[in-house]
Amino acid sequence: SYVLTQPPSVSVAPGQTARITCGGDNIGSKTVYWYQHMAGHVPVLVLFDDNVRPSGIAERISGSNSGNTATLTISGVEPWDEADYYCQVWDASRDRPVLGGGTNLAVL
Amino acid sequence: QVNLVESGGGVVQPGRSLRLSCSSFEITFRNHPMYWVRQAPGKGLEWVALISFDGRESFYSDSVKGRFTISRDNSKRTLSLEMNSLRREDTAVYHCARGKYEKVLAAPMDVWGRGTTVTVSS
Repeated sequence: SYVLTQPPSVSVAPGQTARITCGGDNIGSKTVYWYQHMAGHVPVLVLFDDNVRPSGIAERISGSNSGNTATLTISGVEPWDEADYYCQVWDASRDRPVLGGGTNLAVL
Repeated sequence: QVNLVESGGGVVQPGRSLRLSCSSFEITFRNHPMYWVRQAPGKGLEWVALISFDGRESFYSDSVKGRFTISRDNSKRTLSLEMNSLRREDTAVYHCARGKYEKVLAAPMDVWGRGTTVTVSS
């Protein structure tokens, strides 16, 4: 089955740029979605179709996807960006969604 | 603004059954696929089940296949998850979520509920 690999944690100082990676076999050929899950809150879709922000999502959030790695980038990190971030793709060979293990973004 | 509300969680003994429900408010429900996603304590989000917009197709993770059944009633705008033969490892917060695109299975989840907690313990 298709597997997505994320680093367990990423730490950045406020104002810096955070990059969260999502690795998968030829993931560049798939469409990637990203979710933000803050503690005690509902998960929120922050990117779809690799790099499209839903209405209301800050322009500081962007995405890229090529080769074996998709990346979520948060520029000018704010303390309230601290959350778990998950990538997701659709595994067409098994007709099911696949979620990465999640990355905890810590704002130092 | 609350669009999806889950209910039915609780404490249940291993081997027993439980039925979760998800009610939708003020969002389009009928034409969208619906998901159940869970998060065990200290773990990440895990997809559990998916149902097509018309209820004709359903899909399950390997960990619940054969034990859980997803269903929907579009006339009542509700989604359900029948959970049988529950195991301790099914302990989690269960979220329902809506697929973003109408009538398309391969879609991101754009609306989520707050979740209902299931604890499997003797």
